[in-house]
Formats: sequence, C-alpha cells, structure tokens
Amino acid sequence: EPEVTQTPSHQVTQMGQEVILRCVPISNHLYFYWYRQILGQKVEFLVSFYNNEISEKSEIFDDQFSVERPDGSNFTLKIRSTKLEDSAMYFCASKQGAAETQYFGPGTRLLVL
Amino acid sequence: AQRVTQPEKLLSVFKGAPVELKCNYSYSGSPELFWYVQYSRQRLQLLLRHISRESIKGFTADLNKGETSFHLKKPFAQEEDSAMYYCALSGISGNTPLVFGKGTRLSVIA
Repeated sequence: EPEVTQTPSHQVTQMGQEVILRCVPISNHLYFYWYRQILGQKVEFLVSFYNNEISEKSEIFDDQFSVERPDGSNFTLKIRSTKLEDSAMYFCASKQGAAETQYFGPGTRLLVL
Repeated sequence: AQRVTQPEKLLSVFKGAPVELKCNYSYSGSPELFWYVQYSRQRLQLLLRHISRESIKGFTADLNKGETSFHLKKPFAQEEDSAMYYCALSGISGNTPLVFGKGTRLSVIA
C-alpha cells in the first residue's frame, strides 16, 4: 500500500540555521499539508498546498517558513532561521481529493539547540 | 473558534472491559469528525470518520450534534488497542485542514 514518506527521521540543528524537511506524498494525491507537534502538545496545522500554491496557512507559519514542491514528487518545508521553539515533530500529510482522507507520514523529529 | 477537546490524557482499562474515549468539539458550521490512532512507533492513521459510519477494529463513534460530541467506543478492549487516540475535525467543504485534540493515551491492561 502506498505511503507518505518523510526524510530525515531525526534532525538536530543549531539555532539560526536553515533546515529543510522533505516529504514524498502518495503519488496520485493532489493536496498536501504540514503539521507539527511540540512535545506534550497537540498536533497543529501549519500549511496546506494545492495546485502549486499555498491554500491556507496558520499563524504559526510566519515568514521563517516556506514550502515548495520542486518536482513532481517532493514536498518540502523550509525553516529559514530556526529557533529553539521550532523543536517539534513535523508531519507531512496528503490526500487525493478535497473530500478524501488525509494520510500522514511518519514525521521528522527536529531538535534545535 | 474551532476546537477539539479530549478531557482525558490517559485512560487505563482492563482487557475485555468497555472503552469510551471522550471528544467534544466546537465549530461554527457543519464539521466532519475523525478519530486518528497512533500505535507505538507508528504514524498517525485514520481509525474512522463520522460520514462513513463504519466500525473499524470494533470501534464506533456517533456524532451527537446536540452535545457536540464524537465519543469513541469499543465494547471489549484488547491489549493491541493500546495507543494514542486523537479526535480531529475539519470543515465539510473542500480543502480544510484538520484541527486535533490533545489526544488520549489508552492503556489496556492484561
């Protein structure tokens, strides 16, 4: 069964550094999402992406964040200058159609020191 | 404001006992409600959604619009049900993101 994949599984970085989190959505899916979960807190929506543009973003998704779908398969989340409070588990999700179920990747655990 | 509340952080039950994981929501409009489950070291996966009205792994959930609840139930808990359970909602129309509750960890004791 096809799955959403994410790389890396873990990333440790220094405060102020740029990180790129990568996701490969399920191949025939058209809607893409990033969520994050700070340890002990709820899963929070960051951004949705459809038809090569951002559909919606939360207040968390400030100018430090950007998303890209550089080719037909990858969907990336870039954090330009990481802060300590960016430490979290980042989940990518995708779905085939607007009314379909979102399928989640395994997550990337980001630790900012 | 959109909000999902799961009042219990941890729920421990004995194997064979009934399980009820509580979920209340607030949403202006008609939401779609979901339960996602995360087993140890695995990804979030959909357990059920209210519009499909299915029973998955013996779990059911009924949307109660009057009480704005979507409690998850199973008559007889199994050890393999031990996991983190998240209630979530989204708008019915189109490409709306999921809003999650904080989750309830279910521990089924043998």
